[in-house]
Amino acid sequence: DSGVTQTPKHLITATGQRVTLRCSPRSGDLSVYWYQQSLDQGLQFLIQYYNGEERAKGNILERFSAQQFPDLHSELNLSSLELGDSALYFCASSVGGVAGNTIYFGEGSWLTVV
Amino acid sequence: AQSVAQPEDQVNVAEGNPLTVKCTYSVSGNPYLFWYVQYPNRGLQFLLKYITGDNLVKGSYGFEAEFNKSQTSFHLKKPSALVSDSALYFCAVRDDNYGQNFVFGPGTRLSVLP
Repeated sequence: DSGVTQTPKHLITATGQRVTLRCSPRSGDLSVYWYQQSLDQGLQFLIQYYNGEERAKGNILERFSAQQFPDLHSELNLSSLELGDSALYFCASSVGGVAGNTIYFGEGSWLTVV
Repeated sequence: AQSVAQPEDQVNVAEGNPLTVKCTYSVSGNPYLFWYVQYPNRGLQFLLKYITGDNLVKGSYGFEAEFNKSQTSFHLKKPSALVSDSALYFCAVRDDNYGQNFVFGPGTRLSVLP
């Protein structure tokens, strides 16, 4: 168990809908990362927050947004969902923003868009 | 920008034999290199990392990796493979010029045959 908690574990929703994925980082970790894993795209970095502030942005679509709250949990909002958004979404956390910090992954949230 | 290559999609090895999973990287600054393992329907688990110092890094479950700066490689090794090592392995790099962004390779599927 990495200590990173993600909910929900599985989610099925229709095209055009909006969903929110939630992440609680490991105790003491200030950085939260979101990744998308799909068969054709591999593991894609979406966005990173450090202590409530956006720190780095990757291949995140405009339909997606995220935030990190004062208690350090994070939410990833996915809107106007398309079939191609079906994927495994991972949250990860690390102690801080130093490049050598290890990031620890949650078990992921399986999103299926039908 | 940083990048990671894992030249083999699939590696097959007999149980008890040594295994190697290859990784090469490209960075503009100093590299921070990581290996993660993913079992079916699970999150990524941290195995080991190279930050600085000894080029041979030892990690979890008997795995080790060798950092080779001249060949820009960070191959994962284990002296004696177990069937339970069968999983998807990801190499990742962080560049201290880019700070936060972890870049993952495409993954290598390891199958250890009994």
